[in-house]
Amino acid sequence: AQSVTQLDSQVPVFEEAPVELRCNYSSSVSVYLFWYVQYPNQGLQLLLKYLSGSTLVKGINGFEAEFNKSQTSFHLRKPSVHISDTAEYFCAVKTSYDKVIFGPGTSLSVIP
Amino acid sequence: DTEVTQTPKHLVMGMTNKKSLKCEQHMGHRAMYWYKQKAKKPPELMFVYSYEKLSINESVPSRFSPECPNSSLLNLHLHALQPEDSALYLCASSQVTGNTEAFFGQGTRLTVV
Repeated sequence: AQSVTQLDSQVPVFEEAPVELRCNYSSSVSVYLFWYVQYPNQGLQLLLKYLSGSTLVKGINGFEAEFNKSQTSFHLRKPSVHISDTAEYFCAVKTSYDKVIFGPGTSLSVIP
Repeated sequence: DTEVTQTPKHLVMGMTNKKSLKCEQHMGHRAMYWYKQKAKKPPELMFVYSYEKLSINESVPSRFSPECPNSSLLNLHLHALQPEDSALYLCASSQVTGNTEAFFGQGTRLTVV
C-alpha cells in the first residue's frame, strides 16, 4: 500500500525567508508525486508535479520540488515566501490504479 | 477549460433529507473522484469512476451513493446522513492513465443538522 508522510504539521516562517516543506512516501510500485495548495474554504490547486524525467521540478508561484528516489522524498521549497503563501500544503501520490492519496498536510504560516 | 465545477457550494440538510451533490468537467477526463475532507485534515478518497464505471469504493457507508451518468458528470446522492458526515466534499477528475494530475473543484460545504 502507498502512504505519504509530512513530518511538519505546522511551519511558521518570516516573510521573504526561504522555506522547505518535507514529504516522504512509501510505495512498492511506481508513483507520481504532486504538491497541492489549499487556501481557506477553497478546493485544491496543483502547485507542481513529478511524473518522470528531471528530478527537479518547478511549479507555480515560485515553488520547486526535488524527487529523491533513494530517500523516497519529494520536498517542496521556495527561496522567498510571501504573506499570500499562507495556506495548507498537501503532498500526494498517484498510482497507476488512479488512487490519489494525500499526506496529512503542512500548515504554512508566513509572518510579516 | 481546466475547471471542475461543483454545485451547490453550500448545503444544509436534515438527517431525514435526500439531496445530491453535482460535479461537472469538460476536459475529456475519464476518471472522476469524490473526496471527503474534514477540517484540518487531508482529503479522504471515497469513490473513483473510470470510464463511467465505479472502480474504487473505499468502504463508504451506503448512505452515500455515487452515480456517473456520463463522461462529464458525477453525482453523489445523500440519504439519511449523520451530523458527523458534515464536511467539505471535493470532486476531482483526471486522465485515466496514472501519470497525470487530478484537477479539483472548489467543493461543497455540507452541514447535516
